[in-house]
Amino acid sequence: AQSVAQPEDQVKVAEGNPLTVKCTYSVSGNPYLFWYVQYPNRGLQFLLKYITGDNLVKGSYGFEAEFNKSQTSFHLKKPSALVSDSALYFCAVRVPGFQKLVFGTGTRLLVSP
Amino acid sequence: EAQVTQNPRYLITVTGKKLTVTCSQNMNHEYMSWYRQDPGLGLRQIYYSMNVEVTDKGDVPEGYKVSRKEKRNFPLILESPSPNQTSLYFCASSPDSRNSPLHFGNGTRLTVT
Repeated sequence: AQSVAQPEDQVKVAEGNPLTVKCTYSVSGNPYLFWYVQYPNRGLQFLLKYITGDNLVKGSYGFEAEFNKSQTSFHLKKPSALVSDSALYFCAVRVPGFQKLVFGTGTRLLVSP
Repeated sequence: EAQVTQNPRYLITVTGKKLTVTCSQNMNHEYMSWYRQDPGLGLRQIYYSMNVEVTDKGDVPEGYKVSRKEKRNFPLILESPSPNQTSLYFCASSPDSRNSPLHFGNGTRLTVT
């Protein structure tokens, strides 16, 4: 069975500081991993994905994520947070051959001025 | 503009009164899916459709129906809504069910009293 864990309900950082939003996964196979962001009253927007290749993936709005196979993690990072990054972030995993994209429970990021 | 359009955005109804939430995409995507979002539970898949010929249950299909008579539309039907179906619903689409990211609609907030 596929599963995704986002261990932090909320992450708080000050503007200008680096941020990390954690994600770990459990799958029986090589995963496809995704990060999405949700702003208030909007649907989820795609940020980045890992399919294969370089473990460091760069995405939209200056975000990046590092795939770590040994730790089964796919943490989202940004070197310098902006207040406008405040939103709800979801990690998701899909195993090739399966049709389902499984989402984590989400992490609310709060960036203070 | 490429988009997934859901209607209505907000809906308040009473127990047992049949309702339909419409979903339409203009990107010629094969894959479409419905999710519900509940606090602390993240997004859970209700139904998905690989193409107009294939539709299947997700993780929480009870109390819901879908149809895929044409590629662009994927309505969600609640034949006899109950209060436990009060939730935020999202329709999503992607070119395929492999590693393409999902495009989400803006959501439908349903309240069943």
